[in-house]
Amino acid sequence: DGGITQSPKYLFRKEGQNVTLSCEQNLNHDAMYWYRQDPGQGLRLIYYSQIVNDFQKGDIAEGYSVSREKKESFPLTVTSAQKNPTAFYLCASSMRGGQPQHFGDGTRLSIL
Amino acid sequence: GQQVMQIPQYQHVQEGEDFTTYCNSSTTLSNIQWYKQRPGGHPVFLIQLVKSGEVKKQKRLTFQFGEAKKNSSLHITATQTTDVGTYFCAGRGASGGSYIPTFGRGTSLIVHP
Repeated sequence: DGGITQSPKYLFRKEGQNVTLSCEQNLNHDAMYWYRQDPGQGLRLIYYSQIVNDFQKGDIAEGYSVSREKKESFPLTVTSAQKNPTAFYLCASSMRGGQPQHFGDGTRLSIL
Repeated sequence: GQQVMQIPQYQHVQEGEDFTTYCNSSTTLSNIQWYKQRPGGHPVFLIQLVKSGEVKKQKRLTFQFGEAKKNSSLHITATQTTDVGTYFCAGRGASGGSYIPTFGRGTSLIVHP
């Protein structure tokens, strides 16, 4: 079955700790995205990538970092610089940038 | 930057009533996408509209793209409990800037049986 896999489903972070959220897709899509979802805020774009080894900042990139070393993988690191990281994080991919997106099941991140 | 406003934020309806959500952009859009997110789930792509004045139907759902390509609507006829969820529009700017769509904040539909 083709799709997007995000892991873990739930993640807890201690103060001052970096954590990495995994996103893998087997849809052979070129573009991948990371969104943050807070209640009543919709989907806010953190980072996106059109091709391997290239990525661009979205609207709320501060405190986050990404890499795109393989086409299938687009991990997101939430750094200690992100002061309010508690949220639902969604990864998505599309055949090319701007085209309809397929989303993973998301990761819920909480602060201990 | 481009802004996409979506109203209302919440809508309560009795099962069988109709429902409409509206999406408005500050700039002309090249296309607009609609997604549905069930409670506890992830957004699922429903449809993309590209042409000025375009109307598309999916069973009880009717999607419209305005003549000026600055607004769009989703109308559900005779809602059912399975329609519960949050509906998002995502608009892509027509001129310059990013080709990545900007999401509205969504309209949460609550259907009372």
